[in-house]
Amino acid sequence: GAVVSQHPSWVICKSGTSVKIECRSLDFQATTMFWYRQFPKQSLMLMATSNEGSKATYEQGVEKDKFLINHASLTLSTLTVTSAHPEDSSFYICSTPGDGTYEQYFGPGTRLTVT
Amino acid sequence: DAKTTQPTSMDCAEGRAANLPCNHSTISGNEYVYWYRQIHSQGPQYIIHGLKNNETNEMASLIITEDRKSSTLILPHATLRDTAVYYCIVTTYGGSQGNLIFGKGTKLSVKP
Repeated sequence: GAVVSQHPSWVICKSGTSVKIECRSLDFQATTMFWYRQFPKQSLMLMATSNEGSKATYEQGVEKDKFLINHASLTLSTLTVTSAHPEDSSFYICSTPGDGTYEQYFGPGTRLTVT
Repeated sequence: DAKTTQPTSMDCAEGRAANLPCNHSTISGNEYVYWYRQIHSQGPQYIIHGLKNNETNEMASLIITEDRKSSTLILPHATLRDTAVYYCIVTTYGGSQGNLIFGKGTKLSVKP
């Protein structure tokens, strides 16, 4: 099956700094990437949808100027958390429908801790 | 997409079958039933999906009632590695297009 990787797997940053999370599709072209956020003991919540070569679509309540998404190629989408605050500490997961098969492929997630 | 209802948690003895129920009484005719699981601190993993017929693969079996208002995921011989949160998701996209909407899922604990 398709493989999606994320980097870094975990990151600790100081409040006010920015952090970039990469999501790569390793063996197929990912036209669409979904970005989810998961707080402790909660379920995954969709943050935004990115399509290669176009602007991302953000869910209600997600600040597009704070969570910058770039999907410049068919194998890489990035999420940058700008001016991070402790409340942004969460588990960030990307997924893609892949090459049109019936399942979604998820990355392993990135644990962000803002101190 | 239709809403699903799952028990919050379940326990299962190692080696026994784990039967995870899901209610989706408002499911419409073109909606699929999907199951994913999430092992602690990992991304979700696809398990199985179905539309009307029962399905089986190397991981699990999916039993869908005739009226399609509920389903059961069966792990035939649960192991400790099956401890995870299991999500039942109903979607028109068939998983291949739109994003998935995750509920709270069932936390399955497999005990030795």
